Amino acid sequence: AQTVTQSQPEMSVQEAETVTLSCTYDTSESDYYLFWYKQPPSRQMILVIRQEAYKQQNATENRFSVNFQKAAKSFSLKISDSQLGDAAMYFCAYRRSGNQFYFGTGTSLTVIP
Amino acid sequence: EPEVTQTPSHQVTQMGQEVILRCVPISNHLYFYWYRQILGQKVEFLVSFYNNEISEKSEIFDDQFSVERPDGSNFTLKIRSTKLEDSAMYFCASRNRETTDTQYFGPGTRLTVL
Repeated sequence: AQTVTQSQPEMSVQEAETVTLSCTYDTSESDYYLFWYKQPPSRQMILVIRQEAYKQQNATENRFSVNFQKAAKSFSLKISDSQLGDAAMYFCAYRRSGNQFYFGTGTSLTVIP
Repeated sequence: EPEVTQTPSHQVTQMGQEVILRCVPISNHLYFYWYRQILGQKVEFLVSFYNNEISEKSEIFDDQFSVERPDGSNFTLKIRSTKLEDSAMYFCASRNRETTDTQYFGPGTRLTVL
């Protein structure tokens, strides 16, 4: 069974500092996709970054980057130069071929001015 | 920027009643999804819908649930006889053919069953 685990229910970071959110997953598949979604308060989830499992290079989107460790089944999100607008719930998600997404329970990120 | 919208934002109902949750996906999207999140738990996949039929569903999506695309814009989730354990946040999502793995989510409908 595919499961996604986010072991940090809450994290905080000083504005302009760097924070890393953890995610691990369990799968027997070799081809799959991983995602980080952000959900601001009372707003919909938006895609932050995605990673194809067959790619060894870690994905990067501006201040957001991932550390993808396929053998360890780890997919952490690093946010650099944190901004107040980064405060949100962050969900890690996994998708194999097909339609089903599997989500973690989320990490609530607070950015301290 | 186009967004997925959902109505109502909060629905309160009595156990045993039928509810219909509504979603308007992004207009050129072809694939539609429903997820739910029970308070404090994971977001769980319910069903995917393409070409006017269900393409995949989870074990949660039993006979009490149904989905429909009644016209060219709406995508609905019906729960025929609600149970207390159906209380959750329900998210709709959509994607188009090009962004094959990026789903765009709505803000959710909070369903409370009393």
